[in-house]
Amino acid sequence: QQPVQSPQAVILREGEDAVINCSSSKALYSVHWYRQKHGEAPVFLMILLKGGEQKGHEKISASFNEKKQQSSLYLTASQLSYSGTYFCGTGNNAGNMLTFGGGTRLMVKP
Amino acid sequence: DSGVTQTPKHLITATGQRVTLRCSPRSGDLSVYWYQQSLDQGLQFLIQYYNGEERAKGNILERFSAQQFPDLHSELNLSSLELGDSALYFCASSVSQGANSPLHFGNGTRLTVT
Repeated sequence: QQPVQSPQAVILREGEDAVINCSSSKALYSVHWYRQKHGEAPVFLMILLKGGEQKGHEKISASFNEKKQQSSLYLTASQLSYSGTYFCGTGNNAGNMLTFGGGTRLMVKP
Repeated sequence: DSGVTQTPKHLITATGQRVTLRCSPRSGDLSVYWYQQSLDQGLQFLIQYYNGEERAKGNILERFSAQQFPDLHSELNLSSLELGDSALYFCASSVSQGANSPLHFGNGTRLTVT
């Protein structure tokens, strides 16, 4: 079953922060985060494999709450290059079949 | 460059026709995933192969089939095409069978059915 992402879209000014949430009705075994720019392929940002794990990538970090079956992506001091659509992907209980959420469109304005 | 190669980049065909999309995974990657992305939509999982064997199936239509060959390249066959099959088809590869390693996406094949 597809994870649910929120918000669907967000507009920021450069330097502002944002949080994107990803939740699942099923137990999460892994959570992936990808960014896709318009007309391009999705690009891997990070993967979280354990409950409560937090990972970072420059000024982008993420948390994974296994109990709540959700993950959040934190973008701090956003830059113009952060614009794009962010997808979370969740691994099923067999450890395969990565299913993606509907995406969150992020636009960073000067 | 992700190292995943998809061909062709663009494909325009008529309803009722059959097409084959090809994917060469990154060197060393054994898993291949296929995803469909309709205009400004999310990534719909179609099917996954690992080292030549089918590992998982998503909402793949019966008109669609795929396989992974001994050299690990994969092909997605779409037949009896309909207008609604127009989409961007992505292939992604990863080193492991499970969803515990990053996926590396190719640049996609844009299919237009007229």
